[in-house]
Amino acid sequence: GAGVSQTPSNKVTEKGKYVELRCDPISGHTALYWYRQSLGQGPEFLIYFQGTGAADDSGLPNDRFFAVRPEGSVSTLKIQRTERGDSAVYLCASSLSGTGGGETQYFGPGTRLLVL
Amino acid sequence: GDSVTQMEGPVTLSEEAFLTINCTYTATGYPSLFWYVQYPGEGLQLLLKATKADDKGSNKGFEATYRKETTSFHLEKGSVQVSDSAVYFCALNTGNQFYFGTGTSLTVIP
Repeated sequence: GAGVSQTPSNKVTEKGKYVELRCDPISGHTALYWYRQSLGQGPEFLIYFQGTGAADDSGLPNDRFFAVRPEGSVSTLKIQRTERGDSAVYLCASSLSGTGGGETQYFGPGTRLLVL
Repeated sequence: GDSVTQMEGPVTLSEEAFLTINCTYTATGYPSLFWYVQYPGEGLQLLLKATKADDKGSNKGFEATYRKETTSFHLEKGSVQVSDSAVYFCALNTGNQFYFGTGTSLTVIP
């Protein structure tokens, strides 16, 4: 079946602009995660959704970052007033129930964001 | 806080050599431990996992044992192949959060 998909695959924007990054999880997966991966680093947790609600947004770096999942499937990560330091690969992952205990996460290919 | 420390790379090995990539963790409670792999041009994918102490995860000839006494989850493979060239990430899961190491790049030369 289809895996996690993310669009766009690449996004170039100018400092101060607004961007939206989209994630389509595996069908039926209730848990969805967003991560940010800077060059040479591992993924860094941003936010976790259980269904439609953000169950844990403790990883969002500041209030310029926001994410939604209105119908419990597709999620959008929104970044306002982008800064050059926001340049990174943004990864989305989904899992079946998000109950922890070693449940496997399935990752999308990522969106590479470059802020000029 | 919870964290993962893994061996820095890059690592270059000849085909059929023995591989060890070290990973140690700090966590409250009882985390689950993972190794993810990222092949060139592809997304992260699960390689293996272990959910409790003394469990051994294995896949594609790779193995890792969850050692609570040494807080480690070292990745091993007895004989690497060129196709194993990739970046390997150690990760832990506690509750809803996942913490990843910085990744170790492996290149296997024929």
